[in-house]
Amino acid sequence: GESVGLHLPTLSVQEGDNSIINCAYSNSASDYFIWYKQESGKGPQFIIDIRSNMDKRQGQRVTVLLNKTVKHLSLQIAATQPGDSAVYFCADQAAGNKLTFGGGTRVLVKP
Amino acid sequence: EPEVTQTPSHQVTQMGQEVILRCVPISNHLYFYWYRQILGQKVEFLVSFYNNEISEKSEIFDDQFSVERPDGSNFTLKIRSTKLEDSAMYFCASSEDQGYTGELFFGEGSRLTVL
Repeated sequence: GESVGLHLPTLSVQEGDNSIINCAYSNSASDYFIWYKQESGKGPQFIIDIRSNMDKRQGQRVTVLLNKTVKHLSLQIAATQPGDSAVYFCADQAAGNKLTFGGGTRVLVKP
Repeated sequence: EPEVTQTPSHQVTQMGQEVILRCVPISNHLYFYWYRQILGQKVEFLVSFYNNEISEKSEIFDDQFSVERPDGSNFTLKIRSTKLEDSAMYFCASSEDQGYTGELFFGEGSRLTVL
């Protein structure tokens, strides 16, 4: 079946270092992907998105890379800060705004 | 900043009881959604709602579930006869549009515990 999944369940990173979170998807027809951040006790929060006609998109301290050949996307967080500690989900947004979420990666930022 | 608000934040109920979870979407949004997240698992789509009717629903959203927009501001999820496996965090979301310009804004969730 269709799925969007993550490689690493937990990522520990030193404050100031860069973080890379990976995600694989199986539906080759997927054309719109979003990264969400979920802090403890809160709902998912939009971070950055990318359409399938792009390979890379940059935001403020975040970059998303999309490799359609291997159906893989990643989220890079530059100069990771304590406030970046959260669970990060990739999601595939299909028609009707239906989101299919991956399993999540917990990022722990060490001071 | 506009936000989606949900009540209650936590509800404990007995198995077989009816539960209503309430949501106030962002005021100018037209599309509404419910998602759920069982503890330690990924967020799952339940239902989308537009123009006073269900647009799409998942296999999770069986006859025990219903949604309603009773007035111009609230969007509710009703579970008619709760089961133990309904214990989860339920997230309401809304969006102004669909597709690439239809960013979903999520509420902070309602935790449902079924005993």
